[in-house]
Amino acid sequence: GENVEQHPSTLSVQEGDSAVIKCTYSDSASNYFPWYKQELGKRPQLIIDIRSNVGEKKDQRIAVTLNKTAKHFSLHITETQPEDSAVYFCAASAGNTPLVFGKGTRLSVIA
Amino acid sequence: DVKVTQSSRYLVKRTGEKVFLECVQDMDHENMFWYRQDPGLGLRLIYFSYDVKMKEKGDIPEGYSVSREKKERFSLILESASTNQTSMYLCASSAVSSNQPQHFGDGTRLSIL
Repeated sequence: GENVEQHPSTLSVQEGDSAVIKCTYSDSASNYFPWYKQELGKRPQLIIDIRSNVGEKKDQRIAVTLNKTAKHFSLHITETQPEDSAVYFCAASAGNTPLVFGKGTRLSVIA
Repeated sequence: DVKVTQSSRYLVKRTGEKVFLECVQDMDHENMFWYRQDPGLGLRLIYFSYDVKMKEKGDIPEGYSVSREKKERFSLILESASTNQTSMYLCASSAVSSNQPQHFGDGTRLSIL
């Protein structure tokens, strides 16, 4: 089955700097890659997703890149702000199979 | 906006009790999921369902069962609660089409004493 590895497990950046979180997956059939943000005490919320027919997708300060050959995808947050502090999860799935999640990255943005 | 509602935010039960966690979604989603979330382990899939009366085991089904009698409701059952089932439990739903995002509930923090 699918296995998703996520790095780093913790990340601290200065406000205004960029943050990058990387994930690798094992199943070449996976074709859907969402990213979730979970603030303390709240539900995971989808922030961006990418499908395998696209190499990059951007939404304001957030971007995701996908390299299908290498089986990895990354989340990029530019101009980080304190409200970006949260736990971020990547996930992967193939077709209508359940999402397989990475173990999460705790991002701290230091003002 | 999709709403996934879990019946309790916090629950305290005793070892050996039968525990029911309820989840309801209002978007007519076919797919529903139960996860547990533990520090450092991410979200692990317990059970999922693609239709009424259907259920499939996830990665960690031992000690749990589920019930899906109505499309909007998916229940997680701890048959005989044990202390190692103390955790945060998250319910999610998604539409049936391929590659649709999952929408999560607020979670139930369950403590087994």
